[in-house]
Amino acid sequence: DAGITQSPRYKITETGRQVTLMCHQTWSHSYMFWYRQDLGHGLRLIYYSAAADITDKGEVPDGYVVSRSKTENFPLTLESATRSQTSVYFCASNLPGQGDEQFFGPGTRLTVL
Amino acid sequence: RKEVEQDPGPFNVPEGATVAFNCTYSNSASQSFFWYRQDCRKEPKLLMSVYSSGNEDGRFTAQLNRASQYISLLIRDSKLSDSATYLCVVNDNAGNMLTFGGGTRLMVKP
Repeated sequence: DAGITQSPRYKITETGRQVTLMCHQTWSHSYMFWYRQDLGHGLRLIYYSAAADITDKGEVPDGYVVSRSKTENFPLTLESATRSQTSVYFCASNLPGQGDEQFFGPGTRLTVL
Repeated sequence: RKEVEQDPGPFNVPEGATVAFNCTYSNSASQSFFWYRQDCRKEPKLLMSVYSSGNEDGRFTAQLNRASQYISLLIRDSKLSDSATYLCVVNDNAGNMLTFGGGTRLMVKP
């Protein structure tokens, strides 16, 4: 299906475990983004990528790692999950110059026990 | 101080009412402005862009005041289906980044 998808949609893990959240888009958008959304903070940018093999930190990158070996995929890894990383994670993509709109995936609800 | 500030609400209004949301932003160099809509437990989706001259899309009207660094969204003839959280979003032109406000929750009652 065309669009932007995330997996898993729901994940429960334990403190200290490594977790990888997947994001896949079929539009060949150059830019991809990872946000987390928490009550009281709204959406905050974790990492973004301007193209394959180009990534950069956002507002709250600590504890997260990203990679982008292919344009269509942008996985987010929590190397050692902490309870403070319990959140809803959204992936987004866009193509600069086409209205600046970012298109969001359905989100992953992560709980760290 | 947050870069994009909104009243979190909730705004509880009856069907058919007119409701207005406001948003202020701190970066005077910001170039692009948007309203996104987010339904409960769903992803944000673009509602409309906001232009300096103001723009309208059906029952929705967005206004931008650059001098006051203020953005507004007016919803006329509210419908039950308008119940959602409305996010004020600003692009400060620094590498295609968007900054999101915390959102204003709207609840339209029958």
